[in-house]
Amino acid sequence: AQSVSQHNHHVILSEAASLELGCNYSYGGTVNLFWYVQYPGQHLQLLLKYFSGDPLVKGIKGFEAEFIKSKFSFNLRKPSVQWSDTAEYFCAVNAVDWGSGTYKYIFGTGTRLKVLA
Amino acid sequence: GAVVSQHPSRVICKSGTSVKIECRSLDFQATTMFWYRQFPKQSLMLMATSNEGSKATYEQGVEKDKFLINHASLTLSTLTVTSAHPEDSSFYICSVPLAAGGSTQYFGPGTRLTVL
Repeated sequence: AQSVSQHNHHVILSEAASLELGCNYSYGGTVNLFWYVQYPGQHLQLLLKYFSGDPLVKGIKGFEAEFIKSKFSFNLRKPSVQWSDTAEYFCAVNAVDWGSGTYKYIFGTGTRLKVLA
Repeated sequence: GAVVSQHPSRVICKSGTSVKIECRSLDFQATTMFWYRQFPKQSLMLMATSNEGSKATYEQGVEKDKFLINHASLTLSTLTVTSAHPEDSSFYICSVPLAAGGSTQYFGPGTRLTVL
């Protein structure tokens, strides 16, 4: 079955520290990959996405992610975090479900990031 | 991006009552909308795909008769939790994909349901 794993459930960093959040998925076919962010009290928002092309994608607010096909990974990075990056981050995979033939979205369990001022 | 609203944002009801949650795509016509459920400290679980003009497609393990979905127009989908019980208490989120297939989704703000 398709699955998405986020290894870090809680991350606490000081401002200006570098961030890397892990995301691995299990699926053998073509995938579309996303990182969504949920700021406190707000709804989920798209941070960045990968469909094809350059495996290093840049998103909003200085975030980037690298798709490494051989590792089935799509890790999120930011060189220097800010207090305002405190949020929950979800990795998501969108791929064809072979059973139904339709696209399915599968989300990871999320990583709560707290940035200390 | 698309703007998606949900109403109500929060609802508290007694066990046995039914609750309707609306999801509106404010600036985008959506033939498909998704309904998710999010438990505390857990991920979003897709419940069903709402299809305009036809029956919703439910994920395995989701009771069709309990979670009624109606996609009456290109901008509105409703989720009705029938005969709600405390175990139905959760955060329900809808989303609108920009296009069919593996597209970016735009999420509503969610509805917090508490069943007493």
